[in-house]
Order: sequence, then C-alpha cells, then structure tokens
Amino acid sequence: EAQVTQNPRYLITVTGKKLTVTCSQNMNHEYMSWYRQDPGLGLRQIYYSMNVEVTDKGDVPEGYKVSRKEKRNFPLILESPSPNQTSLYFCASSLWSGSKADTQYFGPGTRLTVL
Amino acid sequence: GEDVEQSLFLSVREGDSSVINCTYTDSSSTYLYWYKQEPGAGLQLLTYIFSNMDMKQDQRLTVLLNKKDKHLSLRIADTQTGDSAIYFCAERGSGTYKYIFGTGTRLKVLA
Repeated sequence: EAQVTQNPRYLITVTGKKLTVTCSQNMNHEYMSWYRQDPGLGLRQIYYSMNVEVTDKGDVPEGYKVSRKEKRNFPLILESPSPNQTSLYFCASSLWSGSKADTQYFGPGTRLTVL
Repeated sequence: GEDVEQSLFLSVREGDSSVINCTYTDSSSTYLYWYKQEPGAGLQLLTYIFSNMDMKQDQRLTVLLNKKDKHLSLRIADTQTGDSAIYFCAERGSGTYKYIFGTGTRLKVLA
C-alpha cells in the first residue's frame, strides 16, 4: 500500500530534550516536506527536500533541522525543543516534475507537546 | 510575502450546496489546490486547478478561479454529513518548491 508513515504519532517531551520525528514513504517520491499545523494559522511549511541531499527552508524553519540521506526517509530534528514548538506535524511526499500539479500525499500526523 | 486567506467556519444543511472561498496574493501562483482534512487524519488532495483555467468540475466538486481578483472557490453540491471536515486552499508557483496553505475552513454539515 502506498503511504507516508510518521513516528511517533504522539510525543510529550520537556524543553531542551533533543528529539527526532521520522518520516518514510514507499512511493519513490523525489519531493518530501514537513509542515506544522496550528489553530488559526493553517499549515506552514518548515522544510522541504527536492531529492537526496537537497533540502531548503520553508516559511518557519527556525528551531528545526532536517536531513535527506535516503530517498525514502526525511526525519525532522528538534535539537532543543521549546514550548512554542508544541504543534501537529505533518510529513508529505510527491513526485516532482515541476511543471505539473504533483499531488502531495500526507502522513497521519505527529502531535508534539513540549512542556 | 505570499499569503492565502480563508474564512474559518462554514455551516450548511445536509443536501444544500457549500461554497468555500479562498483569496491569495501571489500573482505568479500556477497551481491552486483544495485539500480535505478529516478529524484525526492527514490531508487528502481533493482537486486542483491550473491558473490558466477558470473552472474545473469533478463530480460534486466545482472549482472556480477568478485570476483578476485572486479568488478561488470550492463548491460542494448536495453536501453530506461525511463532507464535514477542514478544507485547505493551497498554492504553488510554477518551478518553485514551496507551498503556501491557507488557514483552513471548518465545514459543519447539519442533518
């Protein structure tokens, strides 16, 4: 089954304790992206990756890191989480042609609480 | 910077039509999308429209694009309780890798 998986689905942590949220897709997609969803703010793009070893900042990259060492995986790293990073996080992937609509497929989300 | 705006809530009666509106600021937007998010789930693409189109119809869904006013709408005909969800408008410029999403409109369908 074609899918995007995220782990963990729920996480409660404390300020300053490094954490990683994993994202994996089985569709051989070039493009992968991380978003955060906050009430009243919609989805905001954190980072995206156009292919292996190619990443770039979205609109809200501060406090986050990413890496793309393999095509299927795109982990989101919070080196020193703070309470303002409490949010619902989504990973997404798509083929990338650049000239087509390129449907994004979203993972189920990770609800992160930073105390 | 680019911005996409939507009203936050919409309530309709079952069987009526729903119209969800979206405005965007980036005149270079080439692809405009509508996504649906059901409770506790990720987003699912409903439909999209290219900026060189005025309308697109897909079963109960009709997308209208007014490029002059930078206004996009999604009409759901014969709205059902299963249509209750959050609907997001999103845009992407041609050749860019960044997506801009709106705040989402929560649609509530009353039986």
